[in-house]
Amino acid sequence: QKEVEQDPGPLSVPEGAIVSLNCTYSNSAFQYFMWYRQYSRKGPELLMYTYSSGNKEDGRFTAQVDKSSKYISLFIRDSQPSDSATYLCALSPGTTDSWGKLQFGAGTQVVVTP
Amino acid sequence: NAGVTQTPKFQVLKTGQSMTLQCAQDMNHEYMSWYRQDPGMGLRLIHYSVGAGITDQGEVPNGYNVSRSTTEDFPLRLLSAAPSQTSVYFCASSYRWDTTYEQYFGPGTRLTVT
Repeated sequence: QKEVEQDPGPLSVPEGAIVSLNCTYSNSAFQYFMWYRQYSRKGPELLMYTYSSGNKEDGRFTAQVDKSSKYISLFIRDSQPSDSATYLCALSPGTTDSWGKLQFGAGTQVVVTP
Repeated sequence: NAGVTQTPKFQVLKTGQSMTLQCAQDMNHEYMSWYRQDPGMGLRLIHYSVGAGITDQGEVPNGYNVSRSTTEDFPLRLLSAAPSQTSVYFCASSYRWDTTYEQYFGPGTRLTVT
C-alpha cells in the first residue's frame, strides 16, 4: 500500500464549479501538507502549504487537513479553464533532518470545460 | 533571478552510458532535491541535500549519485544508464523558516534510455 493515495482522475467540471480534490495517507508522522499544480510538460508549482490540522485559504483555493482521519483536501472555487492541470498532494514528516523528504500522491488530472 | 535551472532539457542515452544532469538555483536555498516522475506514480525522491557537503538518499536512490559542493549546484549522476531510468527528472530547491515555506521546481529533464 502506498503511503499517500490520490485518485488519478481525470476529474471534469464545468467552468465556475467547485473542484474538490483529496488525498489519504497512512503515516501519522506527517506534519506538513502541500498541494502543487502541474501544467502539462512543466515542473510542479507550490500552491498551498499547511502545517498540522486545520484550514488555510488563499484566494480561490482552500486547503483542509484532518489528521485524525489522515485526510487532506483542496478546494478550488469558481474554477476557470486555466485551472486545468494535474494537482499533486505532498506530505512531509517535518523534522529538521527529514522535512525535505516529501511523499507525493500520484496526482489528479483536472479538466475545467468552458 | 533565474530560479531553478536544469540542463539538458532532453537527453537520449544508450544502456550503459553515464551522464550528469545539472541543477542550479540562485535563491540561496539550503535544501535541494531530485525527483523522478513516471506516469501514474507521482514524483519519487531520488536524493536530497540539506546544505553544501550534506546529502542523503530518498526513496529510489539506486543507480544515481549526487554531491553538493556549493549551495547553488546539485548535479545528479547516472552511473550506468538502464531503460528503467527512462523518466522525467525534476530538481527542486526549498526554504523553510517558522511558518514560511518556499519551494521551486526546475523545468525538468526528459531522459530516454534505449
